[in-house]
Parts: sequence; C-alpha cells; structure tokens
Amino acid sequence: DQQVKQNSPSLSVQEGRISILNCDYTNSMFDYFLWYKKYPAEGPTFLISISSIKDKNEDGRFTVFLNKSAKHLSLHIVPSQPGDSAVYFCAAMGRNGGSQGNLIFGKGTKLSVKP
Amino acid sequence: DAGITQSPRHKVTETGTPVTLRCHQTENHRYMYWYRQDPGHGLRLIHYSYGVKDTDKGEVSDGYSVSRSKTEDFLLTLESATSSQTSVYFCAISSTPPPNEKLFFGSGTQLSVL
Repeated sequence: DQQVKQNSPSLSVQEGRISILNCDYTNSMFDYFLWYKKYPAEGPTFLISISSIKDKNEDGRFTVFLNKSAKHLSLHIVPSQPGDSAVYFCAAMGRNGGSQGNLIFGKGTKLSVKP
Repeated sequence: DAGITQSPRHKVTETGTPVTLRCHQTENHRYMYWYRQDPGHGLRLIHYSYGVKDTDKGEVSDGYSVSRSKTEDFLLTLESATSSQTSVYFCAISSTPPPNEKLFFGSGTQLSVL
C-alpha cells in the first residue's frame, strides 16, 4: 500500500505559467516532506523541503505548501521554464527515526514545460 | 556534484547469474543507500548502511545482499538475478543519520536481466 501518492503521472504546462504538482500521504507519522527533481540518465537531486510545523516554504521560483489535515502537499513552480522539464518525486519521512526515518518516495510526476 | 560513482553504468545479464553493483564515494559520508527505480513504483529502498560493516534491510530487500567493508564502497549483490530485478539502481549517500533530509544520488546503473 503506497504511503506517498503522486496521482498525476504527467503534467504539461506552457512556459511562463504556473506548474502545480500534487502529493498525498497516508502515514500520520510522517512529519517532514521533500521534493526531488530528476533529469533523464541522472540521479535525483534535492529541490525543496518542508517540516510539518510549517504550511509553506519558498525558495526562489519553487514553493511547497503543506495541508496536514488533508495529508496533502503541493509544489508550485512560478514561472515555469523549459529547463524545469523533469520527473519530480515527492518524499516523506518521520523524524522519530527507525524505519520511518528513511525516505519514502512517490511514483513521480513527469513535468513538461513547453516553450 | 557529490563524489559518487556507480559502476557499471549499464549491464545486461542472464537469469540466474550473480551480479554485483558498486557504489564508490569520495565524500567520506557515513550513510549509504541502495534504491531501485521502476516505472509505476518510484524509488524504493533496498538496503542501507550506517557505517562499515553496519547494514540493514530496506523495503524491497529480498534477493539482494550488500557489503560495506570500507567507508567509500557499498556493494549491492544479486545472488541469482531474475527478470523482476531489471531496474535502474541508484546509490545515495548522506553525512547525517536518518531522519536525514537530503540524500545525494549517483547517476544510476541500468540493469537488464534477460
């Protein structure tokens, strides 16, 4: 049973517009969430994270929003650029360690930004 | 980029043969991980290591073993490869223990088991 769900396998957006990638989780022990970005033939790279004590974290064009009551987070990219075209993985973990301390990844969403 | 080298980058093998994938790091990080990435599954943790000779199982460890005899090397072995182990394998490292916020990933090994 998937604990971290990215229900949209792909998303296509026009350059300059907003990209919104969604992620849902089921495990209430998760309290830290991350987004990784992956280009073809490369390993994933860390993009942005958010702790459960916050509901928003911003880094340049990237903002992550967390709705704990809905167990939902989203990544907003504004404005979207063609170089943002990649697969985006949502990941979660619990800060109380043990197996929950290891990252659990979603299936990924492939973002295509059209010029 | 973090100094992580995975070898080989690509491998084709036959069912039933043993296969070893190597992850080598130059960062002197204590924590190392093996993940596999499959369509429809995202990244799943196979095994991890908290230091030399200190390893543990992850989510999908069946059919895999690991060894860590040196800080810089983390080996993943498929004792008898099966077609279900066709996948892209990623090694990751971290300087901090779980719950760790950021993993640094290698470029991956594409393994095909025929």
